[in-house]
Formats: sequence, structure tokens, C-alpha cells
Amino acid sequence: QKEVEQNSGPLSVPEGAIASLNCTYSDRGSQSFFWYRQYSGKSPELIMFIYSNGDKEDGRFTAQLNKASQYVSLLIRDSQPSDSATYLCAVPPGGSGNTGKLIFGQGTTLQVKP
Amino acid sequence: SAVISQKPSRDICQRGTSLTIQCQVDSQVTMMFWYRQQPGQSLTLIATANQGSEATYESGFVIDKFPISRPNLTFSTLTVSNMSPEDSSIYLCSATGTTKETQYFGPGTRLLVL
Repeated sequence: QKEVEQNSGPLSVPEGAIASLNCTYSDRGSQSFFWYRQYSGKSPELIMFIYSNGDKEDGRFTAQLNKASQYVSLLIRDSQPSDSATYLCAVPPGGSGNTGKLIFGQGTTLQVKP
Repeated sequence: SAVISQKPSRDICQRGTSLTIQCQVDSQVTMMFWYRQQPGQSLTLIATANQGSEATYESGFVIDKFPISRPNLTFSTLTVSNMSPEDSSIYLCSATGTTKETQYFGPGTRLLVL
């Protein structure tokens, strides 16, 4: 089992819809979770991080964390064509202390169609 | 957030040669890392760049192939040695701030080895 798993997609949604991106992780010791957005040919850009179970909202983005089920999701409300990108889930290895290391999932490609 | 620059932004190299990539951060950061992103793949951590001491390498990466330096808090270099076409990739520098909660990426160096 991969340490961080995402469906590679592509996930296609119409403009204005809610896009739901999911990520599962294997290490129960992981404490923090990050979502990055990567446009084609660009470097990853941090858009959300979450530590606690439940929801965290930032503008049109909501991160949801369920540690018992070991998944973290990202919801994008009112999706825009400019949201079309690859979304990477990243998790620090559990039990490694605060080393700053991140393990990345394969990423989900989102296509928002006008 | 920290602003990270990398040089060169891209290069085409002949097999058997070496390339040194520079990473500069505009403010003091705690941790610096080097990642590789192979074509169509996600990010893989190469090593943690430690200030004034040897880098900490991840499984599958060795110092002889990827020597790393970090002479001060804001600057690091990664050398890709004795290159082969399999080294063709994007190499990304990243850094975390004092809280280590968030990790930001440089623009990347696109390397093509012929």
C-alpha cells in the first residue's frame, strides 16, 4: 500500500460545481496534512493545511480530515476553469518528529469545464 | 511566505557530466529540502539540506550521486553527478519557516540529459 494515495483522475466538473478531491494515508501517526495545487509546468503551491479532525474552510476551499478513517479531502466550491490543475496531497511521515519532510500522493488532475 | 529562487531554470546536459543547481531563499528558514519530480510523476524527496553539515538522504538517493551543500540558512546547492538520461526531471528546492508548518517550493529546475 502506498503511503499516500490519490485517484489520479482526471476529475472533470462543470464550472460552478463542487469538486471533491480525496486522499488516504497509511501512517496513523501522521498529524498534519497539506494540499498543494500544481499548474502544468509550474511548481506546487500550498493552498491548505489541516491538523484537526473536521473541516477547515478558506474561501472556496474546504479541507476535511478524518483521522479514524485515515482520509483527508479537499472541496472546491464554485469551481472555476482557473482551478484546473493537479492537486497534490502531502503528509509528513508519522513518528519522525517535526522534520518538515513530506510524502506526496500522485496527485489528482482536475478539469473544470466552462 | 518565503520567496525561493532557483538557478538555472532549465538546462540540457550531456550524459556523464554534472550540473549544480542553486537555491536561494529571501528570508531565514528552518529546513531546506530537495525534491525530484520525474515526468508525469509526483514529488519524491531526495534529501534534507542541513546547514553546515552533511545532508540527510532518503532511501534510494546517495551523496555521491546528489551531493548537497547548505553553507548558511538561506542558500543550498544540489549537484546531479555523472548524469544519465534517467536523471531528466524537474528538481525542486523547498523550505519551511520557523514553525515548520508550511513548506514552500521554488520554481524548479528542468533538466534534460541527452
